[in-house]
Amino acid sequence: GDSVTQMEGPVTLSEEAFLTINCTYTATGYPSLFWYVQYPGEGLQLLLKATKADDKGSNKGFEATYRKETTSFHLEKGSVQVSDSAVYFCALTGANSKLTFGKGITLSVRP
Amino acid sequence: DAGVIQSPRHEVTEMGQEVTLRCKPISGHDYLFWYRQTMMRGLELLIYFNNNVPIDDSGMPEDRFSAKMPNASFSTLKIQPSEPRDSAVYFCASTFSALNTEAFFGQGTRLTVV
Repeated sequence: GDSVTQMEGPVTLSEEAFLTINCTYTATGYPSLFWYVQYPGEGLQLLLKATKADDKGSNKGFEATYRKETTSFHLEKGSVQVSDSAVYFCALTGANSKLTFGKGITLSVRP
Repeated sequence: DAGVIQSPRHEVTEMGQEVTLRCKPISGHDYLFWYRQTMMRGLELLIYFNNNVPIDDSGMPEDRFSAKMPNASFSTLKIQPSEPRDSAVYFCASTFSALNTEAFFGQGTRLTVV
């Protein structure tokens, strides 16, 4: 079945550091790929998405490119802020519309 | 629209009791998902519905768990009998034609079974 693998966390960075969070997936067909973010005490909310190979999703300075050849969708940001501290989830929807998430990774940004 | 609404926000119950969690999806959405979040396992998909019909319940951990969607605006997740290991945050999410559209999450129900 479909699955999403994220790098192990947590991740702690200083403000203005570069961020990369790795995500790889296994799916049949042509899934859509997503990054969701969860702030403390809240539900998940969409950060960005890409629906076909080579698409780049972007939002709030975050970017991720749908790489079909490496089955990856790594999240990057050039300069993180304290307000980016949250839990980040990589996810996909496959041909059966099943929305599958990775385990999530906690990002802490210190001033 | 007020978004996905879950109730209660917090639930504390004794082992062996029945627990019912409720979800009201966004009007017009045809997919509804139930997830469980724990530190150990992350976010696990329990079951999802399309047009009120259960599509995949392979994530439901045991027969103690059951879910229903009697109409397009309401779903329940029931645990009977509850156990301490069921303690988690349970999320409901809805979306329209899930393949490439955003899923909207409720704020979750934090369940503690003592």
